[in-house]
Amino acid sequence: DQQVKQNSPSLSVQEGRISILNCDYTNSMFDYFLWYKKYPAEGPTFLISISSIKDKNEDGRFTVFLNKSAKHLSLHIVPSQPGDSAVYFCAASPLRRPDKLIFGTGTRLQVFP
Amino acid sequence: DSGVTQTPKHLITATGQRVTLRCSPRSGDLSVYWYQQSLDQGLQFLIQYYNGEERAKGNILERFSAQQFPDLHSELNLSSLELGDSALYFCASSGRSGPGELFFGEGSRLTVL
Repeated sequence: DQQVKQNSPSLSVQEGRISILNCDYTNSMFDYFLWYKKYPAEGPTFLISISSIKDKNEDGRFTVFLNKSAKHLSLHIVPSQPGDSAVYFCAASPLRRPDKLIFGTGTRLQVFP
Repeated sequence: DSGVTQTPKHLITATGQRVTLRCSPRSGDLSVYWYQQSLDQGLQFLIQYYNGEERAKGNILERFSAQQFPDLHSELNLSSLELGDSALYFCASSGRSGPGELFFGEGSRLTVL
């Protein structure tokens, strides 16, 4: 039973355009959501997070949107750059507990020139 | 560089054998987490230690065990290895940052033949 789902295994976007990565969750107890980015041969690195009391959080080119009623969050990257090519994992937890963090299976983003 | 160090980076062994994976957390971080990532799967939480004590357990098999030492480094022991144990094993630490933000090592890739 996947509580956090990333239904698109891969996404290809042209440099300069917007990348939208999607994530759905099923557990209504989740109240803290994070995105991690992973390059080959490296561990995941924290990118951006959002608490359930917000519906948007922005950090430079990265914006995360949360739609609690739809149990859906998305990561927007604008403009996309070749260096953004990586696997993106969304993760969710209840009560901001790291030991309860549930990860999605990841979406591989490729940004081409 | 996340500041989390994992060794070895690669390990090839046979079924039935036992291996030990080692992790040094970021300086000052008291919590260490172990995750398993099998092919095309998300990261599965195995176990968490906090300042030497087991804090939380996830989907960790009985054949697996872990400990955290006084110097805060941690070891994950995998015994009676099976083909299905082949995976990437990540260690992460947290402490000084947001409660859901984990800092991951580069991972140890285990191949069981």
